[in-house]
Amino acid sequence: QVLLVESGGGVVQPGRSLGLSCAASGFTLSTYAMHWVRQAPGKGLEWVAVISYDGSNKYYADSVKGRFTISRDNFKNTVYLQLDSLRDDDTAVYYCARGWGSNSLYYFDLWGQGILVTVSS
Amino acid sequence: DIQMTQSPSTLSASVGDRVTITCRASQSISSWLAWYQQKPGKAPNLLIYKASTLQSGVPSRFSGSGSGTEFTLTISSLQPDDFATYYCQHYNSYPYTFGQGTKLE
Repeated sequence: QVLLVESGGGVVQPGRSLGLSCAASGFTLSTYAMHWVRQAPGKGLEWVAVISYDGSNKYYADSVKGRFTISRDNFKNTVYLQLDSLRDDDTAVYYCARGWGSNSLYYFDLWGQGILVTVSS
Repeated sequence: DIQMTQSPSTLSASVGDRVTITCRASQSISSWLAWYQQKPGKAPNLLIYKASTLQSGVPSRFSGSGSGTEFTLTISSLQPDDFATYYCQHYNSYPYTFGQGTKLE
């Protein structure tokens, strides 16, 4: 079964850090760019970051640049998102998503179920 | 950054209706546009990519059109399962952005 499963969410205080994981199964992760997308409670979707299939290229939304880090381990079939210096407005459900396409032209054909990150004191 | 504007924000319709949602980009994105359906508490689901290509497994009552800056998603005959929120998303360049969503009720 082709699946993405996120883990690592929870409640964290402002200014602290949290690490998210996205485990892939049923397909070869190493051939796909992978993205993180988030959705604040009751709000729309916001693209967060992308990592190329081999990890050589990474791009971030301005709202998280310098605070979040995307990485991957293709041997473990896992993508990561390290969230540092968290702020209240980082509270959201975080989705990992598989990018289908090429040359930075990717749409999201497979999504994880999402994981909630709550930033609160 | 490219801004995506969807209209309407909310759409009231009935089973069997034909409905159209519009998405406008702040600059040309060629045909690099996708449409997603999202139900409460669930992840988005891809419906259309490259503006008009139907994703495998998506019912043929869904269709997309447009290029450049103006795009539409049409549902030809609404079914009960179609009441959800719909998002457009450009993937022309980073940062990707989504429209604000259209809730179909």
